[in-house]
Amino acid sequence: NAGVTQTPKFQVLKTGQSMTLQCAQDMNHNSMYWYRQDPGMGLRLIYYSASEGTTDKGEVPNGYNVSRLNKREFSLRLESAAPSQTSVYFCASSETTFGNIQYFGAGTRLSVL
Amino acid sequence: TQLLEQSPQFLSIQEGENLTVYCNSSSVFSSLQWYRQEPGEGPVLLVTVVTGGEVKKLKRLTFQFGDARKDSSLHITAAQPGDTGLYLCAGRNAGGTSYGKLTFGQGTILTVHP
Repeated sequence: NAGVTQTPKFQVLKTGQSMTLQCAQDMNHNSMYWYRQDPGMGLRLIYYSASEGTTDKGEVPNGYNVSRLNKREFSLRLESAAPSQTSVYFCASSETTFGNIQYFGAGTRLSVL
Repeated sequence: TQLLEQSPQFLSIQEGENLTVYCNSSSVFSSLQWYRQEPGEGPVLLVTVVTGGEVKKLKRLTFQFGDARKDSSLHITAAQPGDTGLYLCAGRNAGGTSYGKLTFGQGTILTVHP
């Protein structure tokens, strides 16, 4: 049982480049999330998708876009990367919106030079 | 925006010692969760406490939710090297525009030396 799978695990970008972080879950969960984790700041919610076909902004959405491709997949796109977006990005899923248990992927470590 | 202050940020102890990690807020949360995260992995849920004053035990780990549901603590008895990791608390927002969302503390990096 893979759970939540994120790709890639590592990425280095130059300022202004674009990229998409991929996330897939195999638990048939309705809700999916994107967080970023920075030293000394815990995890902050970027965007979430309560169910297939819906997306909503979280705490720090600026500079990001998301797509809920289907029930399994939720991608995060950086259109023009900035050094401030250097972070570790986590995708998570839960059975219900902000349900009691969120399952996290292993993360994508992104550096923007 | 609700805030959760977690302390201490770093904790380095010897095997067998006891320790306590605290999460404090001026806001009320409907529930409080504790996660453990190992290097290169995502957070994994340890426990959820829901009722003010609730105490839950998980082997050598004891979790407590404050009576007013504004604070929580994690106590580890006789720490072992396998307890090493990043511990995160997360409060479920009880109202306002962020209702239901999780607010995470900054995390405590625990190192237990053999």
